[in-house]
Amino acid sequence: QKEVEQDPGPLSVPEGAIVSLNCTYSNSAFQYFMWYRQYSRKGPELLMYTYSSGNKEDGRFTAQVDKSSKYISLFIRDSQPSDSATYLCAMKGGSYIPTFGRGTSLIVHP
Amino acid sequence: NAGVTQTPKFQVLKTGQSMTLQCAQDMNHNSMYWYRQDPGMGLRLIYYSASEGTTDKGEVPNGYNVSRLNKREFSLRLESAAPSQTSVYFCASRAKFDTEAFFGQGTRLTVV
Repeated sequence: QKEVEQDPGPLSVPEGAIVSLNCTYSNSAFQYFMWYRQYSRKGPELLMYTYSSGNKEDGRFTAQVDKSSKYISLFIRDSQPSDSATYLCAMKGGSYIPTFGRGTSLIVHP
Repeated sequence: NAGVTQTPKFQVLKTGQSMTLQCAQDMNHNSMYWYRQDPGMGLRLIYYSASEGTTDKGEVPNGYNVSRLNKREFSLRLESAAPSQTSVYFCASRAKFDTEAFFGQGTRLTVV
């Protein structure tokens, strides 16, 4: 079992839908939880990160961390075709090395 | 502001050939990383360098070597390329106390 599990999708939704992307993990030492967005043929870019448990909101994006369940989520409200990308969760503890999920491919169709 | 620059962007190699992938960052970051990305496998760490002068193996180091030439540059070498090394390779860098890693645009390598 990998330390971080993420369903690769693809997840296809209509424009305007609320999208929920999720990851589970097994390492209790993880404290930093990140979401990267990767457009086709580009490198990943950090979208949001949270430290420990709780929620963080940035515009249409909300990141949630539930450490008791070892479960993190990214919600996208009012999804747009420009949100079509692969979303990778990443986590790390005190080390230099983040552990990435496999990424979920999201397609938002007009 | 260039960020992380990788060269080349595309490369086709024959089995057994060698090549070096170059990576340079202009953000004065301490840590640098090499990942490979394969369909369905996500990002897998090949090697990393926590600071200038140090390198360590990641999850999938076999068949690769690295050099941290200076604080800016971190190269990845394939001594004898194999078809299993066909992949997209990403270099990344991170400041010492930051969470965010900055990625290059990737090198698409095909080994035939």
